[in-house]
Amino acid sequence: NAGVTQTPKFRVLKTGQSMTLLCAQDMNHEYMYWYRQDPGMGLRLIHYSVGEGTTAKGEVPDGYNVSRLKKQNFLLGLESAAPSQTSVYFCASSRVLRGTEAFFGQGTRLTVV
Amino acid sequence: AQKVTQAQTEISVVEKEDVTLDCVYETRDTTYYLFWYKQPPSGELVFLIRRNSFDEQNEISGRYSWNFQKSTSSFNFTITASQVVDSAVYFCALSEAGYSTLTFGKGTMLLVSP
Repeated sequence: NAGVTQTPKFRVLKTGQSMTLLCAQDMNHEYMYWYRQDPGMGLRLIHYSVGEGTTAKGEVPDGYNVSRLKKQNFLLGLESAAPSQTSVYFCASSRVLRGTEAFFGQGTRLTVV
Repeated sequence: AQKVTQAQTEISVVEKEDVTLDCVYETRDTTYYLFWYKQPPSGELVFLIRRNSFDEQNEISGRYSWNFQKSTSSFNFTITASQVVDSAVYFCALSEAGYSTLTFGKGTMLLVSP
C-alpha cells in the first residue's frame, strides 16, 4: 500500500541547474498538490491540480512549473534552480469530496548551492 | 483570504503533563474545514483529525481531544498525559470551499521530555 510516493528523497543542485520532482499516487485521487516547507513558515502551496491535464497556481508558484499528464502522476519542475528554492517539498493527493483530508508523500529534501 | 495562526512556536513539557496547542483561523466562508496534522522527527505528515464548520462538537480520541469554537475562531488540540512519542511538529490547517487546498499554520513544535 504505497499511497503517495515522491522521487527522489534527497537532491543537491547547483544554482542554475534544472530538475524534476516526481510524485505518484495509487489511490485514484483526482486532486494533487505540491507544497514546500521552510523553517518557521509552515507548508505553502506551490501548484495544484484538480484532474488529469489541469494545473493551477498556489501561493508561491514563481520559479516552478508542473504537469499532470497522467492522473496518478504530478511533476514539479525547477527550470533554473536558485538557493531560495532550498526546501523540503511535499506532494499530496486527495479525493474530490470537499473537505477531505490530503495524504502526503515522504518529502524531498532539496538543497541548491 | 484564509489564514491560520499558531502562536506557540515551541512548547516543552515533561512526560504525563497535559498540553494544549492553539490554533486560530480566519475565513470569510461559512463552509470550511479544519485539520490537524502531526509531523514526527522522521518527517512525514500524519493526518489526525478533520472538522467541518457546521460541527462544533468536541472530539476525543484516546489521549487526544479537540475543542472547536466558532465564536472565537479557534480549533485547539489537547494532549492528555503526554508521552515522549508525542514529540513532533503539529500543524493546524484550513480548507475553504473549492478545491480542498490547505492553508497551514506555521506549526508548533512539541518537545516531551522523560
